[in-house]
Amino acid sequence: DIQLTQSPSFLSASVGDRVTITCRASQGIGIYLAWYQQKPGRAPKVLIYAASTLQSGVPSRFSGSGSGTEFTLTVSSLQPEDFATYYCQQLHSYPRVTFGGGTKVEIK
Amino acid sequence: EVELVESGGGLAQPGGSLRLSCAASIFKFTTYWMTWVRQAPGKGLEWVSYISSNGHTIYNADSVKGRFTISRDNGKNSVYLHMHSLRAEDTAVYYCARVAAAPWDFDYWGQGTLVTVSS
Repeated sequence: DIQLTQSPSFLSASVGDRVTITCRASQGIGIYLAWYQQKPGRAPKVLIYAASTLQSGVPSRFSGSGSGTEFTLTVSSLQPEDFATYYCQQLHSYPRVTFGGGTKVEIK
Repeated sequence: EVELVESGGGLAQPGGSLRLSCAASIFKFTTYWMTWVRQAPGKGLEWVSYISSNGHTIYNADSVKGRFTISRDNGKNSVYLHMHSLRAEDTAVYYCARVAAAPWDFDYWGQGTLVTVSS
């Protein structure tokens, strides 16, 4: 299985901060990567697919980049509602998709 | 608006069985693959099972192979997860989700249903 390693696993940030989360794949996956946001007690919600395509309705402060083995999710100016856990997901080995371990973004 | 509602979770004994249901309000349910994903308490996300739009193709994660079966009833806009030989490590919130067209991310999720396996 393709392994995804997210870093950091935890970060503390303030409202207005620029935040970047990295996801590294154990082998090349092209652009077959999605990012999800999950708030406590809620289902995940897709933010980005195909590495850099913003899901409809997702604020433009979210952006994704990368290809191959290294990907980033950036929030340009963190808002109170963005404090959550973020997961990357690889779809290259569909149907055997895997998720990263998650990055929890907390208020500093 | 797409809506997915899971039900059927609860407490099961080790070795027991449960059937989860997911009712979908989707205009063209019959054209979408569906999937189940689980999340153990305090842990990350784990893909469990896929079923094709017509129900003829199924994929299961190795962790549930031979124990869990996914099915669907397109007449009822529903997908199911039949869980047998349950183990303590199957304890999790189970989410059903819709599989988007390529590149096959999960674009809509239900609210989840908790399965607890304990004696």
